[in-house]
Amino acid sequence: QPVLTQSSSASASLGSSVKVTCTLSSGHSSYIIAWHQQQPGKAPRYLMKLESSGSYNKGSGVPDRFSGSSSGADRYLTISNLQSEDEADYYCETWDSNTQVFGGGTNLTVL
Amino acid sequence: QVQLVESGGGVVQPGGSLRLSCAASGFTFSNYGMHWVRQAPGKGLEWVAFIRSDGSNKYYADSVKGRFTISKDNSKNTLYLQMNSLRVEDTAVYYCALRGSQETSSWGQGTLVTVSS
Repeated sequence: QPVLTQSSSASASLGSSVKVTCTLSSGHSSYIIAWHQQQPGKAPRYLMKLESSGSYNKGSGVPDRFSGSSSGADRYLTISNLQSEDEADYYCETWDSNTQVFGGGTNLTVL
Repeated sequence: QVQLVESGGGVVQPGGSLRLSCAASGFTFSNYGMHWVRQAPGKGLEWVAFIRSDGSNKYYADSVKGRFTISKDNSKNTLYLQMNSLRVEDTAVYYCALRGSQETSSWGQGTLVTVSS
């Protein structure tokens, strides 16, 4: 069963860029993941599916400012030109044997 | 577009039961597997259960195995979660979620379940 590790918090200034990291456990570095955004008081929203190659597919309506990349066991969500509405919790997700696994989430603060 | 609307949440005493429903629209429900995912107050997301598109196979987190039952009625486009022997630690917002190819690709708005005496 894979484990996903995320930093608990991150911060960046309005208009800047930030990279959120999700790390797959040993032996699972080839796994595909998904990124989800959860704004305060709202349900999660699917952002994208990200492969180990760095190829990603975004969900409908996800702004161009959101992109994904990969390096080894690390999966990244990069948000460019940060907006106030990007202040949210970001979760990575993967799957194995018909079960889903979520990372602990990263709380992003826009300064 | 995909719409998932949960209902059935509420306050229940420890040891009690509750059935959640999720009405689906905007996609061919019978073609997709579905999840339940929960979020305790102030905590992260926790996968609860998954059912295959035709209901033939069901999978559960260890924390709910033997107490919760997931089901789907493809004729009614509705997903269910029967929750028995509820514990205080089951208190959470419960989301139904659509499984895309493998990832969770859409979420409902959630329904709150509070287990308290």
